[in-house]
Amino acid sequence: DAKTTQPPSMDCAEGRAANLPCNHSTISGNEYVYWYRQIHSQGPQYIIHGLKNNETNEMASLIITEDRKSSTLILPHATLRDTAVYYCIVRVDSGANNLFFGTGTRLTVIP
Amino acid sequence: DTGVSQDPRHKITKRGQNVTFRCDPISEHNRLYWYRQTLGQGPEFLTYFQNEAQLEKSRLLSDRFSAERPKGSFSTLEIQRTEQGDSAMYLCASTLTSGGSYEQYFGPGTRLTVT
Repeated sequence: DAKTTQPPSMDCAEGRAANLPCNHSTISGNEYVYWYRQIHSQGPQYIIHGLKNNETNEMASLIITEDRKSSTLILPHATLRDTAVYYCIVRVDSGANNLFFGTGTRLTVIP
Repeated sequence: DTGVSQDPRHKITKRGQNVTFRCDPISEHNRLYWYRQTLGQGPEFLTYFQNEAQLEKSRLLSDRFSAERPKGSFSTLEIQRTEQGDSAMYLCASTLTSGGSYEQYFGPGTRLTVT
């Protein structure tokens, strides 16, 4: 699975959009981009995933660049409950499908 | 609550003792994963099951670690002769591989402290 690079930490004002970047310059054509988050003392929580096209669900939007070498997770209106570590993961959707987590981005939403 | 439960939530044990953790996945999920997470790091994959078959166990940390899923439902992770370095959060996740969606649903974890 390709490796990802994320900033170690970010701050965001409550109510503003949080834009979390991820670099995955070695991604293969059949690898998806997945985002999970982990709120303190809880298990990771799935947020969203995509292959090529931008995706949106009730939690977030995922913007993938045309060359697929990077992506951005957007939380449109961050709340204090969005404070968590966010993990960007790339993997194929076949075989073991186990997740290789890096150290993620610690997002702090500030009142 | 994702529907994946783990028991116990916390375990304190003395070095050298054996411990066993249980994971109950979402009932219709055919695949179950175990991860370990140490402080400040992301979860680290250990092993996984497809129904009752353990399909990958090369990443189990040593031969002191073993896992079972005897009837394809709940799973147990056992650590024999615990060491202080085994102190970590042990996470279980499950997924349903049919239908083309592979997101994993994680339990709350079991925090192990070895004294």
